[in-house]
Amino acid sequence: AQSVAQPEDQVNVAEGNPLTVKCTYSVSGNPYLFWYVQYPNRGLQFLLKYITGDNLVKGSYGFEAEFNKSQTSFHLKKPSALVSDSALYFCAVRDIAPRGGSYIPTFGRGTSLIVHP
Amino acid sequence: EAGVVQSPRYKIIEKKQPVAFWCNPISGHNTLYWYLQNLGQGPELLIRYENEEAVDDSQLPKDRFSAERLKGVDSTLKIQPAELGDSAVYLCASSGEVTQYFGPGTRLLVL
Repeated sequence: AQSVAQPEDQVNVAEGNPLTVKCTYSVSGNPYLFWYVQYPNRGLQFLLKYITGDNLVKGSYGFEAEFNKSQTSFHLKKPSALVSDSALYFCAVRDIAPRGGSYIPTFGRGTSLIVHP
Repeated sequence: EAGVVQSPRYKIIEKKQPVAFWCNPISGHNTLYWYLQNLGQGPELLIRYENEEAVDDSQLPKDRFSAERLKGVDSTLKIQPAELGDSAVYLCASSGEVTQYFGPGTRLLVL
């Protein structure tokens, strides 16, 4: 079975400060990991993914995420937050080669990021 | 390149009425997904298609929900009859090899 946890319902940060949105996962084998962002009344928008290779993945809008296999984490980061980054962020995980399992990613509950001016 | 298209964007109906949602995936994407998203929650899979075939539909409430993807391109999700608890956002997504891309969703309100 696969699962993902986003331990914070909400993250508050001041504009210009660095931000981190946390995600931990559990899979039987090796993971594909994803981050999506959702603005109000919109669908989920793909930000970045980890498949293999460099543990630091760079994505859209200046976001990056670091894969840490020993801690089973994939935290989303940005060096300098913008007010326009305020949105709902979802982490998702999928087993690369599920044995008898599903190729469907499992999504976390989401973390609301609020960036204060 | 056009993204995933969904219509309608909003729908308000009375309970026991039927409703249908339409999705056109990204061109060339063989895999299509329908998700349900409740307020403050992540997406929950209803059904997945590989071309015309429904390969993951265990979470679809088949007594009232149905879906089709007749020509392996666009898809329709239907609810008949709708219940108050069906009020949610219905998201369609498509994928090629790995990454899912989502449409804007249809927000359903059942009164």
